[in-house]
Amino acid sequence: DGGITQSPKYLFRKEGQNVTLSCEQNLNHDAMYWYRQDPGQGLRLIYYSQIVNDFQKGDIAEGYSVSREKKESFPLTVTSAQKNPTAFYLCASSTATGGAPSDYGYTFGSGTRLTVV
Amino acid sequence: QKEVEQDPGPLSVPEGAIVSLNCTYSNSAFQYFMWYRQYSRKGPELLMYTYSSGNKEDGRFTAQVDKSSKYISLFIRDSQPSDSATYLCAPRRGGKLIFGQGTELSVKP
Repeated sequence: DGGITQSPKYLFRKEGQNVTLSCEQNLNHDAMYWYRQDPGQGLRLIYYSQIVNDFQKGDIAEGYSVSREKKESFPLTVTSAQKNPTAFYLCASSTATGGAPSDYGYTFGSGTRLTVV
Repeated sequence: QKEVEQDPGPLSVPEGAIVSLNCTYSNSAFQYFMWYRQYSRKGPELLMYTYSSGNKEDGRFTAQVDKSSKYISLFIRDSQPSDSATYLCAPRRGGKLIFGQGTELSVKP
């Protein structure tokens, strides 16, 4: 079955550490996104990529980095520069352009909950 | 001012009630309007979408868009405890979805 897989489900980070969250999709989608979700704040866009080897900053990119070396993969690194990384992180994918309206939505992974210890 | 505003709730209703969830938006460029449902500790899933103004019905769910007043609504008839979730509106602009804050709904048996 096609889908989008995030791992791990739970992740613990010590102060000063970098951690990488994995996101893999087999939907043949061109575009991929990373969101952060905090209680009462909705989804905030961190980074997005519409094509391999290219990505753009979202609204809250500071302290995060990404790569897009393969169409299927869009890992997110939470660096030590991110002062408040405890949150629920969601990865999504979509067709970049064209297609039918039924394709316009995003498909989300099940999320990674990151906690600073 | 945010492009998409949504009352975060929480909203609590008894089983069988009619629920109205609403969003307002400021950008006239939006043409497609999505609604997502997110259960606790899960990723959002697409519930339904509408194009431009008008209504769209899918079972107990009706999505409504009024472009003249920039108002988006989702109605749930005969609400069930299994409808308890956070509902996010997400208008589409330039290939990207702009998400509202989400409204947390609780349906009590």
